[in-house]
Amino acid sequence: AQTVTQSQPEMSVQEAETVTLSCTYDTSESNYYLFWYKQPPSRQMILVIRQEAYKQQNATENRFSVNFQKAAKSFSLKISDSQLGDTAMYFCAFMGATFGNEKLTFGTGTRLTIIP
Amino acid sequence: KAGVTQTPRYLIKTRGQQVTLSCSPISGHRSVSWYQQTPGQGLQFLFEYFSETQRNKGNFPGRFSGRQFSNSRSEMNVSTLELGDSALYLCASSQATGRFEKLFFGSGTQLSVL
Repeated sequence: AQTVTQSQPEMSVQEAETVTLSCTYDTSESNYYLFWYKQPPSRQMILVIRQEAYKQQNATENRFSVNFQKAAKSFSLKISDSQLGDTAMYFCAFMGATFGNEKLTFGTGTRLTIIP
Repeated sequence: KAGVTQTPRYLIKTRGQQVTLSCSPISGHRSVSWYQQTPGQGLQFLFEYFSETQRNKGNFPGRFSGRQFSNSRSEMNVSTLELGDSALYLCASSQATGRFEKLFFGSGTQLSVL
């Protein structure tokens, strides 16, 4: 079974600064996907970024980037030039790459607050 | 394209009752998954349906069940409600074409059991 650990329950940062959210995971699978989801007060889970484990290059989506260290089983999210709209819960999630196994295992989340 | 739609947004029930939640996936999506979110247990996978068949199941008691219709819409049913069933229930859909696709989530149904 997979586990996902987020060790930072809460974080806060000044607007326009950079913040990094940590995530570690454990799995015996060789191929898998990792995700960061954002859940604002509206409760809808929004996909921020995803990483395929067989790709060595770190994924980037505008101000969001990841630092994927496969050997260390670490998957951190960096938010650059943070904005007030980034205030939300952030969840790290794992999915095995077996077809027909589209099941996400989530971490416990990090509550991020952007301070004006 | 319309997003994933979950109804109702809020529900209040009493212990022992049963409840049915509905999820309409994005048009063309064939897979629908359900997750339970609570402050204590976090986000946990309930089950996934694909082409009207349950393809994956999480570790929940048999009181939790679901189904998927031919138009891919899905319903989740919880019988004999317990206080601990109070949670946000999230539905997600994907195309499930054999190569991983993104999961798109709805805004959830907040269930309160009194």
